[in-house]
Amino acid sequence: NAGVTQTPKFQVLKTGQSMTLQCAQDMNHEYMSWYRQDPGMGLRLIHYSVGAGITDQGEVPNGYNVSRSTTEDFPLRLLSAAPSQTSVYFCASSTLRQGIIYEQYFGPGTRLTVT
Amino acid sequence: GQSLEQPSEVTAVEGAIVQINCTYQTSGFYGLSWYQQHDGGAPTFLSYNALDGLEETGRFSSFLSRSDSYGYLLLQELQMKDSASYFCALARGSTLGRLYFGRGTQLTVWP
Repeated sequence: NAGVTQTPKFQVLKTGQSMTLQCAQDMNHEYMSWYRQDPGMGLRLIHYSVGAGITDQGEVPNGYNVSRSTTEDFPLRLLSAAPSQTSVYFCASSTLRQGIIYEQYFGPGTRLTVT
Repeated sequence: GQSLEQPSEVTAVEGAIVQINCTYQTSGFYGLSWYQQHDGGAPTFLSYNALDGLEETGRFSSFLSRSDSYGYLLLQELQMKDSASYFCALARGSTLGRLYFGRGTQLTVWP
């Protein structure tokens, strides 16, 4: 199993550009999520999904879109990049036991810089 | 809403025992998790407490007291490789579970 994979590992964007961060998992997990991590801020939830076709907003969703057309894939789209979106982005997946997240598996992260 | 408080830094020497505390304010939650993250790496799961009490996994133990709104991660027989950031996280949500993370504690282990 590859676990959770993310591409690209590094990306530099100019203000106003759009792009998609890719995330895939091969563990058949229902739950997938995107976090951003900024220095001293911990991990903040952007969007999450509990299954194909079902997504919802987390703590900091503005400026980001997601979709979940398959169980395996959960791409994150930046609509119009801003310097405030410079961050490290982690995708994670987990099973749900009666709706509860017990253990999340994280991808290696995408380091995004917006100039 | 919810908030989780952790010390920003903790230092200890090899072979020692260290406790990383996590206090929280929330209206309700399912459980408290702990994750480890080495510099430049991805967070990895350490433990989950659904009920009050101690959960032990090898050199690591985690404790939860809902009545005190408090939990901790206990690391024994510290090794240099334990130098990392440690995050507590609350599993909560209305109809669906979410994880809310603390800001993390940087543990430095000295030889």
